[in-house]
Amino acid sequence: SQTIHQWPATLVQPVGSPLSLECTVEGTSNPNLYWYRQAAGRGLQLLFYSVGIGQISSEVPQNLSASRPQDRQFILSSKKLLLSDSGFYLCAWSVLDRWNTEAFFGQGTRLTVV
Amino acid sequence: AQSVTQLGSHVSVSEGALVLLRCNYSSSVPPYLFWYVQYPNQGLQLLLKYTTGATLVKGINGFEAEFKKSETSFHLTKPSAHMSDAAEYFCAVSRGNQGGKLIFGQGTELSVKP
Repeated sequence: SQTIHQWPATLVQPVGSPLSLECTVEGTSNPNLYWYRQAAGRGLQLLFYSVGIGQISSEVPQNLSASRPQDRQFILSSKKLLLSDSGFYLCAWSVLDRWNTEAFFGQGTRLTVV
Repeated sequence: AQSVTQLGSHVSVSEGALVLLRCNYSSSVPPYLFWYVQYPNQGLQLLLKYTTGATLVKGINGFEAEFKKSETSFHLTKPSAHMSDAAEYFCAVSRGNQGGKLIFGQGTELSVKP
């Protein structure tokens, strides 16, 4: 069966510090990968998606970047965090080339920028 | 463009009462619709989905939803609420030919009173 791992679970970082959140998927090949952000009291916003190694699409301009160095690894990064980067970050995957499929989510990372 | 509107950011019901969470969507193509549940500080878990076929969809934990094209709605119901149903619920629509690239509603927090 497929599983998705996301870490760390919680993170407190000072303003201006770098960020690296990692997500890996097991049990499937060539997945679509996604990073979503959930700000307090708001819905989920798609930040990045990837259909393959090195292929990253950004949905919204922001202080963050994403990379996919391996087929089942997705990394969310920032060089200098802002207070507005605080939120709950969720990694997700879906089956490639199936447009009626759902997304499967990791357990999330609670990021607090102080 | 596609969008999702969830009516009511907070819904409170008594244990044993009917649960009704409302979701309306806007889509220029036949929609694929999803309901997710999120428990505090956790990722999202799929409750049910509508892709094609039967418009009444049954999901996990006794939930069901009915796709009504004429009303552009996909409301979530459960005949009898349980304390363990207290969580946040998200309605989502697929963004077309990339499964998992979902547009989410703002979420509805369900409280269940004893």
